This record gives sequence, C-alpha cells and structure tokens, in this order.
Amino acid sequence: AQSVTQLGSHVSVSEGALVLLRCNYSSSVPPYLFWYVQYPNQGLQLLLKYTTGATLVKGINGFEAEFKKSETSFHLTKPSAHMSDAAEYFCAVTATDSWGKLQFGAGTQVVVTP
Amino acid sequence: DADVTQTPRNRITKTGKRIMLECSQTKGHDRMYWYRQDPGLGLRLIYYSFDVKDINKGEISDGYSVSRQAQAKFSLSLESAIPNQTALYFCATSDGSSYNSPLHFGNGTRLTVT
Repeated sequence: AQSVTQLGSHVSVSEGALVLLRCNYSSSVPPYLFWYVQYPNQGLQLLLKYTTGATLVKGINGFEAEFKKSETSFHLTKPSAHMSDAAEYFCAVTATDSWGKLQFGAGTQVVVTP
Repeated sequence: DADVTQTPRNRITKTGKRIMLECSQTKGHDRMYWYRQDPGLGLRLIYYSFDVKDINKGEISDGYSVSRQAQAKFSLSLESAIPNQTALYFCATSDGSSYNSPLHFGNGTRLTVT
C-alpha cells in the first residue's frame, strides 16, 4: 500500500516569490507520483506526473517537481508565483500493486498575496 | 474537465433519504471512480470500476453503492443518507493504459445531508 503526506495545509506566498509545496510518500514498490490542482468550484486537474526516468518533471503553468528516492519526496515548486496560482494542490501516489487507484494527500491551500 | 459530467452540482437532502449522484463521460475511458473530498482529508476512494462488469470497493464504501449502467455512466447511491456523508463528491475516469495514466475529474457534486 502507498500513502502520501503533504506538509502544511496552508501556504501563503507573495506574488513573484517562490512557491514550494512539500510531499513525502511511502511505498514498498517503485511509486508513480502526481500533483493535481483544484481551483474553486472545479474538479482536480493534472499538473504533472512522475514515472521512472528523469527525476525532474516539468508540468503546466511553470510548475515542476523533483523526485528524490533517498528522501522519499516529490516536492512541487514554481519560481515566481502568480495570483492565478491560488488554489488547492494535491499530491497523489500509486504503484504497480495498486494500478489505477490513487492515494491522495490532504491537500495544501495556496494563497497568493499582492 | 467538461468531458466528465456530474449531476446534480449541488444537493441538499434529509437524513434517511435515498439519493443518487450521476456521472457520465465522453472520453471513451473504461475506468471510472468515485471519490469524496473532506476538508483536511484529501480525496478518498469510494468505489471504482474497470469495465461494465467490474465493480470494486474502495477504502470507504460502507453506506454507498454504485451502478455501472454503460461504459459512459457510473452512478453513486446513498441508500439512507446520514449527516457525515456531507461532502464534495467527484467522479473520475482513466484510460488505464499505463500505471501512471492520469485521472480526469468532473466538477463535483456538493452534497449536504441535514
């Protein structure tokens, strides 16, 4: 079985500042990791996903995430926050023994201040 | 994702009532899922279906049932609603072509049980 832990339920960043959202995972087999974003009154949208191979993954809207096996982490970053980045972000994990079933973290609400 | 449609968008019902949430998709995906979202808990899997003849319980299936009427339709029922089933419910689909096939979400149904 897999699980993810997102550190920080709320993050406040200034417009133009670095966005850093933390995600740590637990998996007994190689994981497949995802970041999703949820804007108000909408469903979740895929930001990026990690499979085997390159550890730095680039996604939409300038976001990227780095897979670090030694730290069991998959942190999400964006160099410069925009007001439109205000949303809730979810880290999720699956693996070969859970094919198709994602385990989601509790989510991190991002507030962007002018 | 407009290709995954959930109805209704909002519903208020009373304790003990039977209620059905509906999901239809035009993506042609075989796999469909029902999740519920609660603040601070992220998304939790209720039921999932890999094809019309395959229905599986998720981690929180008690009090819920589902019906896969066709490849494109997957309904969630609460046989006797209770207040702790107040939540945001999401339907999602996946083509299941690989372990990291992403989920495509509808816009959700906000259910309130009084």
